[in-house]
Amino acid sequence: DTAVSQTPKYLVTQMGNDKSIKCEQNLGHDTMYWYKQDSKKFLKIMFSYNNKELIINETVPNRFSPKSPDKAHLNLHINSLELGDSAVYFCASSREGQPGELFFGEGSRLTVL
Amino acid sequence: GQQLNQSPQSMFIQEGEDVSMNCTSSSIFNTWLWYKQEPGEGPVLLIALYKAGELTSNGRLTAQFGITRKDSFLNISASIPSDVGIYFCAGQRGNTPLVFGKGTRLSVIA
Repeated sequence: DTAVSQTPKYLVTQMGNDKSIKCEQNLGHDTMYWYKQDSKKFLKIMFSYNNKELIINETVPNRFSPKSPDKAHLNLHINSLELGDSAVYFCASSREGQPGELFFGEGSRLTVL
Repeated sequence: GQQLNQSPQSMFIQEGEDVSMNCTSSSIFNTWLWYKQEPGEGPVLLIALYKAGELTSNGRLTAQFGITRKDSFLNISASIPSDVGIYFCAGQRGNTPLVFGKGTRLSVIA
């Protein structure tokens, strides 16, 4: 069974559209994250949720809105997509008390045309 | 934001050679971690270090948490083709987000 799974794996869309990426973890972890990896492979945190509550919200445009319906799910919705949003988005989770030990999903490659 | 300086950026080595990469920071971290990312996959944790001076091994991998808490290194001994990938260092302090280095891209020539 996949520990952290995200869908879709690939997403190609036009500028101005709205899209969502879903993430689920079956590890029983309390904290989930969204990371963005750019074309130079730099990994940057976007959001962190602990037990459905937002605890980290780095400088990310308001067009990005995370939603956590329960502690096993953290979805990312993006409005009015821009060319610069093209990247690989990774969901991750961690255990309580071990915030550095992340379990990543396989990534969702978003291409905005 | 905080940045970790990871070097080298890339390495091309022969199978069987040893590899060394390191990470430095201007800030102190309480935890240093090393991740590996293979093409099309998410990063996978290799080693986590929690104490200054700590030296930890995971198979052919060895990592150390620098005494000053501002650096860490990762060594891979007797490299094999499946070691290919991007290796990321990461530092963590308190409840602040994990900070990643820019990665070392390792290529192994058989």
